[in-house]
Amino acid sequence: NAGVTQTPKFQVLKTGQSMTLQCAQDMNHEYMSWYRQDPGMGLRLIHYSVGAGITDQGEVPNGYNVSRSTTEDFPLRLLSAAPSQTSVYFCASSYSRKGTTEAFFGQGTRLTVV
Amino acid sequence: DAKTTQPNSMESNEEEPVHLPCNHSTISGTDYIHWYRQLPSQGPEYVIHGLTSNVNNRMASLAIAEDRKSSTLILHRATLRDAAVYYCIRTDSNYQLIWGAGTKLIIKP
Repeated sequence: NAGVTQTPKFQVLKTGQSMTLQCAQDMNHEYMSWYRQDPGMGLRLIHYSVGAGITDQGEVPNGYNVSRSTTEDFPLRLLSAAPSQTSVYFCASSYSRKGTTEAFFGQGTRLTVV
Repeated sequence: DAKTTQPNSMESNEEEPVHLPCNHSTISGTDYIHWYRQLPSQGPEYVIHGLTSNVNNRMASLAIAEDRKSSTLILHRATLRDAAVYYCIRTDSNYQLIWGAGTKLIIKP
């Protein structure tokens, strides 16, 4: 089973460039989310979705956009990359949004903004 | 603060049990306690979760205090592959997982 697939694994951007991080899951999960992880820290929630067509902001949404047109896909868009967005990004999915079931994570995208 | 409190790091010997503590004194009555671990350069991996009573699965056991203000993750026989950062997590009022810095578990051969 593929689980949660993130692409690309590594990316270097110049300040001001835009890009989309891709996330796809094949488990028919309604709940999907994006996190960023800075060195030595835990994960911080950027945006999440409780189903197709429904998204909401997390703890650190500024500079990022999301959309959810299908159950399977939840892309994260960086509008104008800044060095402060250098981080590792993780996508996750779970059956329940209420924290009662396990979440599955992708392998991450390591983003460097120069 | 919704974050939990964990030791920054712990060491254990290979093939011995490991008890990882977590304090969550402000937890509400309906919040689950989750444990995830993260191996170097990998995404987090689910370990176990529970609400009130103790829980067991193939990876670990979770012992939750009667007042639910603390819990302990138990790895019954640690191996070198269990070396990771272990996160004790609770949810906020929107059911989102709130991550702290976790405990770095070092396994000595």
